[in-house]
Amino acid sequence: AQTVTQSQPEMSVQEAETVTLSCTYDTSESNYYLFWYKQPPSRQMILVIRQEAYKQQNATENRFSVNFQKAAKSFSLKISDSQLGDTAMYFCAFRGGTSYGKLTFGQGTILTVHP
Amino acid sequence: GAGVSQSPSNKVTEKGKDVELRCDPISGHTALYWYRQSLGQGLEFLIYFQGNSAPDKSGLPSDRFSAERTGGSVSTLTIQRTQQEDSAVYLCASSLVASGGLGQETQYFGPGTRLLVL
Repeated sequence: AQTVTQSQPEMSVQEAETVTLSCTYDTSESNYYLFWYKQPPSRQMILVIRQEAYKQQNATENRFSVNFQKAAKSFSLKISDSQLGDTAMYFCAFRGGTSYGKLTFGQGTILTVHP
Repeated sequence: GAGVSQSPSNKVTEKGKDVELRCDPISGHTALYWYRQSLGQGLEFLIYFQGNSAPDKSGLPSDRFSAERTGGSVSTLTIQRTQQEDSAVYLCASSLVASGGLGQETQYFGPGTRLLVL
């Protein structure tokens, strides 16, 4: 079974600074997908960024980028120029490439951006 | 377009009562998922529907939980004889499965239903 671990229960950062959230996972599959979701107090889970394991290039979405290290099974999220609206719970998630099914989530990291 | 919607937003019930939670997926999305988010267990997969295939029920915690999806669209999650440990946020997600693909789709989530069992 796959497992996803987020070792940072809480993080804080000053507005306009950069912060990195950590995620590691364990799987025996060679093809899979990794995601970062953001959950603000409204409860709505919002996709931040996704990475296909077969792609060597790290995904980027505006201020958000990942550092995907397949051999180390590591998938960290870097948020540049942090904004107050980035304050939320962030979840790392894994989905195997051999099925259409479930996401396996990490425990989440609460990120607070301070003015 | 419209996102995934869920109703009710909040539900308070008494222990032993049955509850029904509704999910309306994004139009055209063929796959639908239910997850549960609780303080003690984090985010857990419950059940997955894809087209006309038999659902993947592997995440349902007990036989008190069931779900159906009518007409390939709206889904209802039913919890019978609710217990206090059922208190959680129930999240629904939907996705568009690429034909012949390897499951490249992204799941889009609704706002969830917060269930409180007294």
